[in-house]
This record gives sequence, C-alpha cells and structure tokens, in this order.
Amino acid sequence: AQTVTQSQPEMSVQEAETVTLSCTYDTSESDYYLFWYKQPPSRQMILVIRQEAYKQQNATENRFSVNFQKAAKSFSLKISDSQLGDAAMYFCAYRSPYGNKLVFGAGTILRVKS
Amino acid sequence: SQTIHQWPATLVQPVGSPLSLECTVEGTSNPNLYWYRQAAGRGLQLLFYSVGIGQISSEVPQNLSASRPQDRQFILSSKKLLLSDSGFYLCAWSVAGGTDSGNTIYFGEGSWLTVV
Repeated sequence: AQTVTQSQPEMSVQEAETVTLSCTYDTSESDYYLFWYKQPPSRQMILVIRQEAYKQQNATENRFSVNFQKAAKSFSLKISDSQLGDAAMYFCAYRSPYGNKLVFGAGTILRVKS
Repeated sequence: SQTIHQWPATLVQPVGSPLSLECTVEGTSNPNLYWYRQAAGRGLQLLFYSVGIGQISSEVPQNLSASRPQDRQFILSSKKLLLSDSGFYLCAWSVAGGTDSGNTIYFGEGSWLTVV
C-alpha cells in the first residue's frame, strides 16, 4: 500500500519570503499522480498543484512550484513571495491511476508572519 | 464550469439519531463521487466512492452508508449515530476515466458533524 509522509507538522514564513514544504511517499508503481492541497480555516480542500509522475518537468502554478524527485520519492512544495492568505494546512496526496483513493499525508500547518 | 455543493454545513445530532448529508455536482456528467472524513487531528480518510448510479464501494467498515440515487447526487447516511461519527465530512468528485484530469479530485465545502 502507498504511504505519504509529511515530516514537518508546522512551518513558519515571513511575508514575501519563500518556504518549502516537504513530502515523501512510498510506492511500487511507476505511474501515479501527486497533489498538494491547501486547507484554510474554512476547512475546504483546495487543489494547489498537480504533478504527473511520467512528466520530468516540475509543475508550477503562479507562486507555487514543486520539486519532484521520482527516484528519491520526494515531492516538495515551494511557495514564493508568501502572502498572509497562504496560511493554511497543506496536504500532500498520492493517487494511483488504477484506483479511486487519494492517500493523504498528515499535513503541515503553515503560518505566515507579517 | 463544474461546481460541487454539500449540505448542511453544520450539524449537531444526538447519539442514536439518523444522519443524512447530501452532495451534488453540477456541470459534468457521470462523475466519480467520494465521501471523506477528517476526524479531530488531520488526516483524511476515504469512506465511500461511486463510479455510477447505485454503485457504491466502501473503504472501511463503519456505522455509515452511502447512496447515489442520481448521477450527480451522493448521500451519506446513518441510521443511528455514534459519538465516534463526529468529524468533518467532505464530498468530492473527479472526472470518470483514466485521463490526467480524471485523476484530480475536487472537494466540496465540507460538513461539520457533532454527535452529542
């Protein structure tokens, strides 16, 4: 079974600075999908970014980018020019193309200081 | 564009009472539908998923059940709630099929359930 590990329970960043959230996963599959979701205080899960494992190029979405290291099974999220609205819980998630389940990490609380 | 709605947003129910949480998706046909629970703490746990009307798969044995009476409607139910059923419930959907877009799951606003 696949597992996702987020080793940082909490992170802090100064407004306008850059922060990186870590995620590692374990799988025997060669094709899969990785996601970062943001959960603000409203608790709604919002998709931040997606990476297909067969793509070597790292995904980017505006201020959000990932560092996908397939051999190391690592999938970190970098947030540039952090804003107060980025404060939230961030979840890393894995999905096999052969199943219907998203496997989530435990989450990282991101605090943004003004 | 596609939207997903679930209700009620907040629910306080006594132990032993029934439960019904509803979820609808608009702007797509034949979506895959999911119910997740997030208990106090952090992680999300998949409870049920459905690939079509009347097709329900359960991930964990529990006090809850799910139904899909219409293509874009997903209902989470219980006949008798337990204290341990308290939590945050999220409905979600994805495009059916094995395309890249089909592997992205989108979530509703969530429903807070407190069993007292």
